[in-house]
Parts: sequence; C-alpha cells; structure tokens
Amino acid sequence: SQTIHQWPATLVQPVGSPLSLECTVEGTSNPNLYWYRQAAGRGLQLLFYSVGIGQISSEVPQNLSASRPQDRQFILSSKKLLLSDSGFYLCAWSVKGSLAGANVLTFGAGSRLTVL
Amino acid sequence: AQSVTQPDIHITVSEGASLELRCNYSYGATPYLFWYVQSPGQGLQLLLKYFSGDTLVQGIKGFEAEFKRSQSSFNLRKPSVHWSDAAEYFCAVGANREGDMRFGAGTRLTVKP
Repeated sequence: SQTIHQWPATLVQPVGSPLSLECTVEGTSNPNLYWYRQAAGRGLQLLFYSVGIGQISSEVPQNLSASRPQDRQFILSSKKLLLSDSGFYLCAWSVKGSLAGANVLTFGAGSRLTVL
Repeated sequence: AQSVTQPDIHITVSEGASLELRCNYSYGATPYLFWYVQSPGQGLQLLLKYFSGDTLVQGIKGFEAEFKRSQSSFNLRKPSVHWSDAAEYFCAVGANREGDMRFGAGTRLTVKP
C-alpha cells in the first residue's frame, strides 16, 4: 500500500533562518506531488506541484521554493523565513490517470511551522 | 485557472440536524469536483468525488453531494449529523491539466449536543 511521510511534524524557527520540509511517498512510482499551505482562516493554498523529477510549477510568488530530487521525494525550502511563512504545510500525492486533474489527492499529516 | 468558493466560513448545527455545505466553482469546462474533510491538526481525507454521470454522488460517512452545472455548485449534504462530523470541510476542483488541484477556503463545522 502507499504511504506518505512528512517531517518534521512541528518546527519553530526564528525569522531569517532557513527552512527545509521533506515529504516522501512509498509504494508508488511517478506520482504527482504537491505542497499546500494552510494559514489560519485562509484555507488551503496551492504552493507548488510537480509532475516529475525536476519539474516544479509554482503557483504564487513567495519566499519559498520546492525541489524534487528523486521520483518520490518533494522538498519545500526557504533561505530566509518571514513571519508570514508561519502555517500548516501539507504535502500530498496523486497518481497520474487517464483523466488529468481527476486524480484523488492523498495527504500527509502536515508540518506546523511557527516563525518567531 | 479554476477556482472554488465556499461562502460559509463557519457553520454550527445541532446533532441530529441536517447539514448542507455550499461550494461554487469557476471553470470553463466540465470540472472534476471533490469534497475533503480535515480533523484538527491532521491531513485531509477524501469524502467523495464527481467526474461524470449521475449528478448525485454518495461518499463515506453518510455524506452526499449534488453537482448542478447551471448553478456551478457542488454542495455537500448529510441528513443527520453526528458529533464526530465536527471538522473542517474543503471543496476542491481539478482542471483538465495534470497536477493542478485548487481548494476552497474551507468551512468549519461545529456540532452542538
């Protein structure tokens, strides 16, 4: 069966420090991978998605970047965190199906980032 | 790009009462529509989805949703809510493009005893 792992689960970082959140998927190959951010009262915002190694689509201009160095690994990074980067970050994956966009997302448990 | 609007930020219902959560989407073609639920501090879980065919779809935990093209809506319903249904609910729409899935802002459901 497929599983998705996110870590760390909780992170408290000072403003200006770097960030690395990691997500890995097991039990599948060539998945679509996603990073979402959930800020308090602001719903779920798509940050990045990837349809393959090295292929990253960015949805909003921001202080964050994403990389996909391996097929089932997706990393969210920042060189210098801002207060506004605080939030709950969710990684998700989906299979590639015959109907693009019709694929069910499976989410990780999330990483809560607090920037002080 | 496609977009989703959930007009209600927070809804409170009594246990045993019926529930309807609203979702409106914007997309030029036939959308792929989803409802997810999130318990506090957790990831999201799929409740149900609509791709084509019967516009009334059944999901897990006794939920159903109805696709109405004329109203660009995909509202979620449950005839009788349980205290365990208290959570945040997200509507989502997938475009005809690999990897692109957009979510609404969510509706937080509180269930009164």
